[in-house]
Parts: sequence; structure tokens; C-alpha cells
Amino acid sequence: AQTVTQSQPEMSVQEAETVTLSCTYDTSESDYYLFWYKQPPSRQMILVIRQEAYKQQNATENRFSVNFQKAAKSFSLKISDSQLGDAAMYFCAYLTGGGNKLTFGTGTQLKVEL
Amino acid sequence: EPEVTQTPSHQVTQMGQEVILRCVPISNHLYFYWYRQILGQKVEFLVSFYNNEISEKSEIFDDQFSVERPDGSNFTLKIRSTKLEDSAMYFCASSNPLPGNTIYFGEGSWLTVV
Repeated sequence: AQTVTQSQPEMSVQEAETVTLSCTYDTSESDYYLFWYKQPPSRQMILVIRQEAYKQQNATENRFSVNFQKAAKSFSLKISDSQLGDAAMYFCAYLTGGGNKLTFGTGTQLKVEL
Repeated sequence: EPEVTQTPSHQVTQMGQEVILRCVPISNHLYFYWYRQILGQKVEFLVSFYNNEISEKSEIFDDQFSVERPDGSNFTLKIRSTKLEDSAMYFCASSNPLPGNTIYFGEGSWLTVV
């Protein structure tokens, strides 16, 4: 079974600074997809970014980018120019290529300070 | 932008009562899901539904739970004889069937069993 590990329960960043959230996963498959979801205090699950395992290029969405290291099974999220609205719980998630069930990590609570 | 909508946003129910949580998935999506998040814990997969039948379910999804697509737009989760430990946020989600396609979540229904 696949597992997703987020080793940082909490992180803090100063406004306008950059922060990196870590995620590792364990799988024996070669075809899969990785996601970062954001959960603000409203508790809605919002997609931040996705990465296909077959793509070598790291995904980027505006201020959000990933560092995908397939051999190391690592999938970190970098948030540049942090804003107060980025404060939320961030979940890393894994989706097998042939399936439709997301496996989530335990989350990292990000605090953004003035 | 299309979105998954859920009702109710919050429901309080007596232990032993039946609860129905409702969802309207994104209109061109064909896969539907329910996930659960107990307070302070990670998001867990309950069930996926495709072509009017369950395609996969977790061990959490026992005989107490059932899902239904009663018409062309709604997708429901029924919890029979609720227990205290059923208190959680329940997320509906949907995706289209292409491999690795992003799963979009609703805003969640917070269920409190007293």
C-alpha cells in the first residue's frame, strides 16, 4: 500500500519570504500522480498544484512550485512571496495511475507572520 | 468555474439516527467520491462511485454506509444509525475518468453526532 509522509506538523514563514513544505511517499509503482491541497480555516480542500510522475519537469503555478525527486520519492512544495492568505493546512496526496483513490499525508500547518 | 457543492454545511444529529449528506458533483465528471476527515486527523478515502456502482471502498465504509445517485445530478452518502465516532467533516469529490485526473472537492459537510 502507498503511504505519504509529511514530517513537518507546523511551519512558519514571514510575509513575502519563501517556505518549503516537505513530503515523501512510498510506492512500488511507476505511474502515479502527486498533488498538494490547501485547507484554510474554512476547511475546504483546494487544489494547489499537481505533478505527473512521468514528467521530469517540476510543476509550477504562479507562486507555487514543486521539487519532484522521483528516485528519492520526494515531492516538496515551495511557496514564494508568502502572503497572509497562504496560511492554511497543506496536504500532500498520492494517486495511483490506474486508480482513483487519493492517499493523503497528515498535513503541515503553515503560519504566515507579518 | 465549476465546483462541487455539498449540503448541509453542518448537521447535528442524535446518536442512532440516520443522516443523508448530499452533493452535486461537477457536471461533466463521471467519478464521484466521499472522503472523511475526523477533527485533527488526515483525510481518509471512503468510497468511489462510477457508472452507477461502487468502484472501490475502504474498510471504513461498512454496512452502516451507503451511496446513491438518485438522479442525474445528485450524489448522496447515507449513514445509518450514527455513532459518536462518525463525527467528522465529510467531503464529496468528483473527477472525470481520465488517468490521473484531478479530484475536485466540495466544501465539506460537518457532521456532529451527540
